[in-house]
Amino acid sequence: EAGVAQSPRYKIIEKRQSVAFWCNPISGHATLYWYQQILGQGPKLLIQFQNNGVVDDSQLPKDRFSAERLKGVDSTLKIQPAKLEDSAVYLCASSLGGGQFFGPGTRLTVL
Amino acid sequence: DQQVKQNSPSLSVQEGRISILNCDYTNSMFDYFLWYKKYPAEGPTFLISISSIKDKNEDGRFTVFLNKSAKHLSLHIVPSQPGDSAVYFCAASEMGAGGTSYGKLTFGQGTILTVHP
Repeated sequence: EAGVAQSPRYKIIEKRQSVAFWCNPISGHATLYWYQQILGQGPKLLIQFQNNGVVDDSQLPKDRFSAERLKGVDSTLKIQPAKLEDSAVYLCASSLGGGQFFGPGTRLTVL
Repeated sequence: DQQVKQNSPSLSVQEGRISILNCDYTNSMFDYFLWYKKYPAEGPTFLISISSIKDKNEDGRFTVFLNKSAKHLSLHIVPSQPGDSAVYFCAASEMGAGGTSYGKLTFGQGTILTVHP
């Protein structure tokens, strides 16, 4: 069974630029999550999708972050414009209602 | 407000000995707890979990203990092996209808475990 795929694995941008991350969950997993992990901290949930609907986006900075899961499968997370404090690893996870399976993450560096 | 805390940033143990990783939580609504292991440049992988109706769950070398009254859980690894060297995250959530993690996970800061040969 293929795991959660994420791309790119690494991204370096300058502040005020835009960036987008892509996630392909495990086939059949209805629930998809995006987490932000800042160095030295645990992952923090940004947004949770159930199929293509948003379940929880209470911790998503909506002035600059957006996410979509149009067909209930792949998802993209966008930051526009990026700030220095957005430097982190962005993790995507999926589940079938039980345990969450994580992708390898995208490491974002904002200069 | 840090609802899940791992107060030890790092732990170093000798191969063959016991590793004990600790986690405290403050939210009394949490009733399902998980441990994840993370290697560099990889995503966290699920290790073991426990629901609040139990006080112990065992899986091979890994045992998780839950003390609800103290809002404390611990992960025991016996015997420790060099391959266990990784970052360990404690996570908590409210249990769903199926008896497993409901969804939103709240993570601790992580503990770096180093097992020396």
